[in-house]
Amino acid sequence: DQQVKQNSPSLSVQEGRISILNCDYTNSMFDYFLWYKKYPAEGPTFLISISSIKDKNEDGRFTVFLNKSAKHLSLHIVPSQPGDSAVYFCAASINAGNNRKLIWGLGTSLAVNP
Amino acid sequence: DTAVSQTPKYLVTQMGNDKSIKCEQNLGHDTMYWYKQDSKKFLKIMFSYNNKELIINETVPNRFSPKSPDKAHLNLHINSLELGDSAVYFCASSLGHRGYGYTFGSGTRLTVV
Repeated sequence: DQQVKQNSPSLSVQEGRISILNCDYTNSMFDYFLWYKKYPAEGPTFLISISSIKDKNEDGRFTVFLNKSAKHLSLHIVPSQPGDSAVYFCAASINAGNNRKLIWGLGTSLAVNP
Repeated sequence: DTAVSQTPKYLVTQMGNDKSIKCEQNLGHDTMYWYKQDSKKFLKIMFSYNNKELIINETVPNRFSPKSPDKAHLNLHINSLELGDSAVYFCASSLGHRGYGYTFGSGTRLTVV
């Protein structure tokens, strides 16, 4: 039962263009969403996040949009650079008793071509 | 001066053996985690420790036993290894168990033959 879904396993874009990575979720109790980036043979690194009370968060070339009614979020990278080529994981945070849990998507592999 | 370091990076072992993976963080974080990424690329939490206390224990076989001697270390011991244990294991840490702001180690690729 995948609560966080990234339906595109891979995406290829041209350098300088926009990359749009999508993520859908099913649990309306998620209250914080994060994007992580992962290079081969390395652990994921935090990229950008958004609280469920917002609909947009921007950090340099990276913008995350949240549509709560559609239970959908997206990560926009503009302009895309070859160094952005990596696997991008969407994750959602939820209260679990006294703790919090992160539920992860399967990732989307982005290739930015020079 | 790696923030979260895990050893070994690669581990190949036979079925039935017992092995340990070590993790150390120098970030001053008080919460540490073990994640498993299986062949289908699912990243799934296994355990979480806050100030040496177990706070999350997902449905993991009891052949897996985490040990946290102090806040900076969380080791994972696996008994009677099985083929299905082959995966990449990631250690992570955070300040507080807020569910975000993790720093991950670079992973340990375990192959059971």
